[in-house]
Amino acid sequence: DTEVTQTPKHLVMGMTNKKSLKCEQHMGHRAMYWYKQKAKKPPELMFVYSYEKLSINESVPSRFSPECPNSSLLNLHLHALQPEDSALYLCASSRGGPSYEQYFGPGTRLTVT
Amino acid sequence: AQSVTQLGSHVSVSEGALVLLRCNYSSSVPPYLFWYVQYPNQGLQLLLKYTSAATLVKGINGFEAEFKKSETSFHLTKPSAHMSDAAEYFCAVIPSGYSTLTFGKGTMLLVSP
Repeated sequence: DTEVTQTPKHLVMGMTNKKSLKCEQHMGHRAMYWYKQKAKKPPELMFVYSYEKLSINESVPSRFSPECPNSSLLNLHLHALQPEDSALYLCASSRGGPSYEQYFGPGTRLTVT
Repeated sequence: AQSVTQLGSHVSVSEGALVLLRCNYSSSVPPYLFWYVQYPNQGLQLLLKYTSAATLVKGINGFEAEFKKSETSFHLTKPSAHMSDAAEYFCAVIPSGYSTLTFGKGTMLLVSP
């Protein structure tokens, strides 16, 4: 099973709302990632968790807050977002070493109004 | 920083024709290279990866890629295009000494009947 699941598929939120994106994998992977993808652009790395610890934060604004409750779950908490944060948010997982491929989830399409 | 360059933001082929999507990497040390495909409103799916075991890499859906160190290239090919191949294709690299993916800008493959 090489599946990464993400919920919800679509999310519309106002700029004062608080919401969370969820990601789950059951492949035993020890690295998990959040990416942001704008239309017609490649994914941009936001955060990396390795063995449930935040290892990379690509200077993401604090209105995005990641959380890794256990080795299978990854959350992205959203608060006070801006309309320019509207994008496809992708979660991925891998075994963690540089030669290992990343498996992506289907993404959450976020619209900030 | 090491990167990949994808030549052509759009490539158009007829159904049954050869597909050639170009990717060049900038590195003096062979990195780990990947090709991903993204269908509209979906996540990324791994097509194939190069990790130095073999220079000709076969992937899913009839795609293959050849690693050419002398040309610093990792072009993606498929002998006969199918309508279902129409999608965005991303070349990606994990540079030596790093563990995170860097994506090219992507190439949209258009397949006409």
